[in-house]
Amino acid sequence: AQKITQTQPGMFVQEKEAVTLDCTYDTSDPSYGLFWYKQPSSGEMIFLIYQGSYDQQNATEGRYSLNFQKARKSANLVISASQLGDSAMYFCAMRGRGYGGSQGNLIFGKGTKLSVKP
Amino acid sequence: NAGVTQTPKFRVLKTGQSMTLLCAQDMNHEYMYWYRQDPGMGLRLIHYSVGEGTTAKGEVPDGYNVSRLKKQNFLLGLESAAPSQTSVYFCASSWSGTTGGYFGPGTRLTVL
Repeated sequence: AQKITQTQPGMFVQEKEAVTLDCTYDTSDPSYGLFWYKQPSSGEMIFLIYQGSYDQQNATEGRYSLNFQKARKSANLVISASQLGDSAMYFCAMRGRGYGGSQGNLIFGKGTKLSVKP
Repeated sequence: NAGVTQTPKFRVLKTGQSMTLLCAQDMNHEYMYWYRQDPGMGLRLIHYSVGEGTTAKGEVPDGYNVSRLKKQNFLLGLESAAPSQTSVYFCASSWSGTTGGYFGPGTRLTVL
């Protein structure tokens, strides 16, 4: 079965410092995709970054980077130079393969609440 | 370009009432999904569609029905609402099965 685990229910970081949010995954598929979403208090889901299982390099998008360690089945999100606006829930997700052979649906972890302190 | 929109944004129902949530996307995406988000649970897939006229069950389909008569719309129905269906419902769409998807703003549903 496919599963995403986020072990940090909440984290604090000082403004302008870097922070790493942990994510481990479990799948038997050789091909998969990993995603990170941000959910601010307003509730919308904002796509941050994507990593494919065959990508040779770690994904980066501005201040976001994904530390992909395939052998350890981890896909940690690194936010550099934290800003107050980064305070939000962060969800790690994996592209699922199941439910009758479907593709494309996402399997989510339970999230990590990040609080940035001024 | 509106992206993914959801109607309504908020709704309060009484147990046993029915309602339909509408999701619309203007990106010509083939894939559409309905998720529910409960506290401490992350998001869970209810139903999904891989194209016009097709629907399939996700992880938590009981008590819900869906229809995709037009490519741009994906409807989620509750025939007889129960308090356990109190949740925030998100619709999402994507080009294919290899992309994560764009999410709508969510619908907050309370069933009394």
